[in-house]
Amino acid sequence: AQTVTQSQPEMSVQEAETVTLSCTYDTSESDYYLFWYKQPPSRQMILVIRQEAYKQQNATENRFSVNFQKAAKSFSLKISDSQLGDAAMYFCAYRRVLYSGAGSYQLTFGKGTKLSVIP
Amino acid sequence: SAVISQKPSRDICQRGTSLTIQCQVDSQVTMMFWYRQQPGQSLTLIATANQGSEATYESGFVIDKFPISRPNLTFSTLTVSNMSPEDSSIYLCSVEGLLGTEAFFGQGTRLTVV
Repeated sequence: AQTVTQSQPEMSVQEAETVTLSCTYDTSESDYYLFWYKQPPSRQMILVIRQEAYKQQNATENRFSVNFQKAAKSFSLKISDSQLGDAAMYFCAYRRVLYSGAGSYQLTFGKGTKLSVIP
Repeated sequence: SAVISQKPSRDICQRGTSLTIQCQVDSQVTMMFWYRQQPGQSLTLIATANQGSEATYESGFVIDKFPISRPNLTFSTLTVSNMSPEDSSIYLCSVEGLLGTEAFFGQGTRLTVV
C-alpha cells in the first residue's frame, strides 16, 4: 500500500519570503502522479501543482515549484515570495497511473501541513 | 477543469438521523469519488461511484452506513445514515479531470452531529 508522509504539522513564513514544505512517500510502482493541494479555511481543495513520475524535470507553476527526487521518494513544495493568501493547509497526495481502467483512482493524502504567513 | 457544486455546505444534525449530500458536476464524468475529512485529519476515500453500477467502498466503509446514488453522469449523492457524533466531518465530492491526471473537488459539506 502507498503511504504519504508530511513531517511538518505546522510551518510559518514571513510575507515575501520563501518556504519549503516536505513530503515523502512509499510505493513500489514506477509510474505515478504526485500532487500538492491547498485547502484554505473555505474548505475547497485547490490543486497547486502536479508532477508525473516519469518526468525528470521539476514542475513549476508561477511562485510554486517542486523538488522531485524519485530515488529518495521525496516531493517537496517551494513557495517563493509568500503572500498572505498562501496561508492554508497543504496536502501532498499520490496516485498511481492506471492502465486499461483497472484498479482504484484513489488519491492517498498526507496528514497535511498548516502554513501561516506572517505580515 | 470541472466545476463541482456540493450541497449543503454545512449542517447540524441530531444523532440517529440521516443526511443526504448532493454533488453536481458541470460536465459528464465517468467516476465520482466521496471523501471524508475528520477534524484536523487528512482526506480518506469512502467510495467510488460509477454511473449505472453499485459504488465501490473502501475498507472500513459500508453501504448501509454510506449509501450512494449515481443516477447519471453529472450527479451523485452520499447519505450519512443513523448519524452519531463520530460522523462529524467534512465530506467532499471529487471527480477526475478530462486527462485523468488530476482530481477536482467540491467545496465540501461540514457536518456536525449533536
